[in-house]
Amino acid sequence: EVQLLESGGGLVQPGGSLRLSCAASGFTFRNYAMSWVRQAPGKGLEWVSAISAGGFSRSYADSVKGRFTISRDNSNDTLYLELKSLRADDTALYYCAESSGYYEAFDLWGQGTMVTVSS
Amino acid sequence: DIQMTQSPSSLSASVGDRVIITCRASQTITNYLNWYQQKPGKAPNLLIYAATTLESGVPSRFSGSGSGTDFSLTITSLQPEDFATYYCQQSFTSPALSFGGGTKVEIK
Repeated sequence: EVQLLESGGGLVQPGGSLRLSCAASGFTFRNYAMSWVRQAPGKGLEWVSAISAGGFSRSYADSVKGRFTISRDNSNDTLYLELKSLRADDTALYYCAESSGYYEAFDLWGQGTMVTVSS
Repeated sequence: DIQMTQSPSSLSASVGDRVIITCRASQTITNYLNWYQQKPGKAPNLLIYAATTLESGVPSRFSGSGSGTDFSLTITSLQPEDFATYYCQQSFTSPALSFGGGTKVEIK
């Protein structure tokens, strides 16, 4: 079965750190660019970060630049997001998503992992 | 950065209605525009990519149009399972991407 499974979310204090993981299965992970997209409670979707198939190109939203780091392990079919200097407005459900095709549409999503930043 | 503006932010419609949701980009994105449907508690689902191409398995009552800066998603004959929130997303500035604010389609 083709799927993405996120893990690593939880409750963290402001200024804290967390590492999210996204395990891919059922497709050739190393061939696809991947992204993290988040959704604050009751709010819309916000693209957070993307990484190329080979892992050599990375991009970040301005809201997380310098605090979050995306990476991937193609030998273990896993995507990561390192979150540092967390703030209350980083509280959200974090989805990993695979983008495919020339138009980089997200045609596969995980179920999400919740990050709550609170003291 | 390219800003994506959807309108309306919400609408009420009845089963069988024709619904049109619009998405405007702050600068041209040619046809690098994708549409998603999200139901409560679920991850988004891709409906349309490249502004007009229906994703495999998506009902033909969904269609997309537009190019440049102005786009629309049309649902002809709204069905009960179509009540959801819809998002547009641009990939013109890939790898940096952005979503519209969403349009919630509610039952009248």
